[in-house]
Amino acid sequence: AQKITQTQPGMFVQEKEAVTLDCTYDTSDPSYGLFWYKQPSSGEMIFLIYQGSYDQQNATEGRYSLNFQKARKSANLVISASQLGDSAMYFCAMREGGNTDKLIFGTGTRLQVFP
Amino acid sequence: DTEVTQTPKHLVMGMTNKKSLKCEQHMGHRAMYWYKQKAKKPPELMFVYSYEKLSINESVPSRFSPECPNSSLLNLHLHALQPEDSALYLCASSQGMENNEQFFGPGTRLTVL
Repeated sequence: AQKITQTQPGMFVQEKEAVTLDCTYDTSDPSYGLFWYKQPSSGEMIFLIYQGSYDQQNATEGRYSLNFQKARKSANLVISASQLGDSAMYFCAMREGGNTDKLIFGTGTRLQVFP
Repeated sequence: DTEVTQTPKHLVMGMTNKKSLKCEQHMGHRAMYWYKQKAKKPPELMFVYSYEKLSINESVPSRFSPECPNSSLLNLHLHALQPEDSALYLCASSQGMENNEQFFGPGTRLTVL
């Protein structure tokens, strides 16, 4: 079974609008962490936001927020006020339990922002 | 200094060549990683070094040989590669605590002819 599922291969959004990128995960470990990364066409993976399984509040970092619904095992990324520079591949990833070194990545969502 | 650097940016090699990829970080991170990423796929973990010792090898073929000379440097030695090994090779580093993100370098685009 997939540990991390991103069901949207591609998304389009108009500049200045908000967009939600979906991510669901599967783990039986009560301790885990969820990460979102952005990968522009240049190739570098850029860390955006982190949510720990015990965090009571949804994580926010500037225009990025994470809609964490633990019972549904979902960790959707919300980008507000989209910019042309947000066009990139977005990966959701999970770290399970005490293994702090291994990240499991989803298949990614390609976001395209149009004027 | 909050970046991970990788050299070279691009590498083309033949199947009989020996080459090395280099990665450097000066953030004092205790963990360093090699990932392989094929086009339109997520990164796949290859190796993890923790405190300069190999802690994870994801069953990578022996034609890939990692080396961690010190806490700031990570190398990936390549020998007798196959065309299917052509990919983007990403290096990352992390403090290694539960909520610590991995910082990635820009990658080396490898083409094996």
